[in-house]
Amino acid sequence: KQEVTQIPAALSVPEGENLVLNCSFTDSAIYNLQWFRQDPGKGLTSLLLIQSSQREQTSGRLNASLDKSSGRSTLYIAASQPGDSATYLCAVTQGGSEKLVFGKGMKLTVNP
Amino acid sequence: DAGVIQSPRHEVTEMGQEVTLRCKPISGHDYLFWYRQTMMRGLELLIYFNNNVPIDDSGMPEDRFSAKMPNASFSTLKIQPSEPRDSAVYFCASSHRNSPLHFGNGTRLTVT
Repeated sequence: KQEVTQIPAALSVPEGENLVLNCSFTDSAIYNLQWFRQDPGKGLTSLLLIQSSQREQTSGRLNASLDKSSGRSTLYIAASQPGDSATYLCAVTQGGSEKLVFGKGMKLTVNP
Repeated sequence: DAGVIQSPRHEVTEMGQEVTLRCKPISGHDYLFWYRQTMMRGLELLIYFNNNVPIDDSGMPEDRFSAKMPNASFSTLKIQPSEPRDSAVYFCASSHRNSPLHFGNGTRLTVT
């Protein structure tokens, strides 16, 4: 059974820092990996999707990498801003299924 | 596009009552998912549909829960009878195959 882990559960940093968020998964036979952002009282917003054949994806100040063999992904946030404060979740799909398995998320607070 | 639309946003009901949650996916998306989010268990997949057909309902907790998708633009999740432990935020999401998942803003259910 696939398990997705995000450590730490929470992180508080001053504005301007470059951040690395970690995600690990137990079964490396994934189809793709997605990073999401969730603001309080809202649904999840997809930030980046990495196919199993890709190593990384970039969008603006965000860069996500994938190492399937080690079961790890990282989300890099450059020059963090207070508006980046949210909960970040990663999720993976297994081959042959569209079922996404989520980690429990990491709550990020960026202080001005 | 208005995104995934869920109704109601909040539902408060008494134990034993029937609850129906509604979802309108993004037009053209052929996958629809129902998730439940709690602090303790995080995001759990309840059921997902492909082209209106249920594909995986292994996450549906018990027979009190049922989901239907009568057409490509509408789905319901019904709980009958409801219990206090069903209190959670229920999310609907939709996507194309192997594409970013789009979430609604959720229905916060409270069963007293």
